[in-house]
Amino acid sequence: GESVGLHLPTLSVQEGDNSIINCAYSNSASDYFIWYKQESGKGPQFIIDIRSNMDKRQGQRVTVLLNKTVKHLSLQIAATQPGDSAVYFCAERAGAQKLVFGQGTRLTINP
Amino acid sequence: DTGVSQDPRHKITKRGQNVTFRCDPISEHNRLYWYRQTLGQGPEFLTYFQNEAQLEKSRLLSDRFSAERPKGSFSTLEIQRTEQGDSAMYLCASSLVGGPTYNEQFFGPGTRLTVL
Repeated sequence: GESVGLHLPTLSVQEGDNSIINCAYSNSASDYFIWYKQESGKGPQFIIDIRSNMDKRQGQRVTVLLNKTVKHLSLQIAATQPGDSAVYFCAERAGAQKLVFGQGTRLTINP
Repeated sequence: DTGVSQDPRHKITKRGQNVTFRCDPISEHNRLYWYRQTLGQGPEFLTYFQNEAQLEKSRLLSDRFSAERPKGSFSTLEIQRTEQGDSAMYLCASSLVGGPTYNEQFFGPGTRLTVL
């Protein structure tokens, strides 16, 4: 079955440093991947997505890398700011419309 | 606010009672999804609609759960005879199939249900 997992449940970084959040997925048929940010008491907020025909995609301060060989996804946040503190989820979709979410990584920014 | 809205934001109920949640999607979105999220976990898919048709239901959606989207706009999720295990955040999301955002799902703020 499908499963999406994260390597670390928590990550602490210094303000201004770069953050890297990792995610492993198991369904090789997945063709679309998304990173969501969820702040306390709020719904998930879309950050960036990538299709399976791409290896890398960049947004504003964020980059997503996809390695289909090892079924690995990562989110890089440049120059981490206090407002980046949240739980980050990766999600995958394999043709069907539902998203399968991982457990989440809590990112904490140290001043 | 033109995003996805959910009502109520919080609901506390006693075990055995029925509860109903409402979701208003982004107006032009033709797909609507329901997810459930428990503390410390990622959202889990429950069901989704294409316009008014319910196209998929998760095995998590027991017989006590029912969802409707009668006119292809807002949706309701009802839980009958609530159990303590139903306590969770219920999230609604909507998307536009065929639009420029590749079916990106936009989430609402959720309804937090507590069953006592």
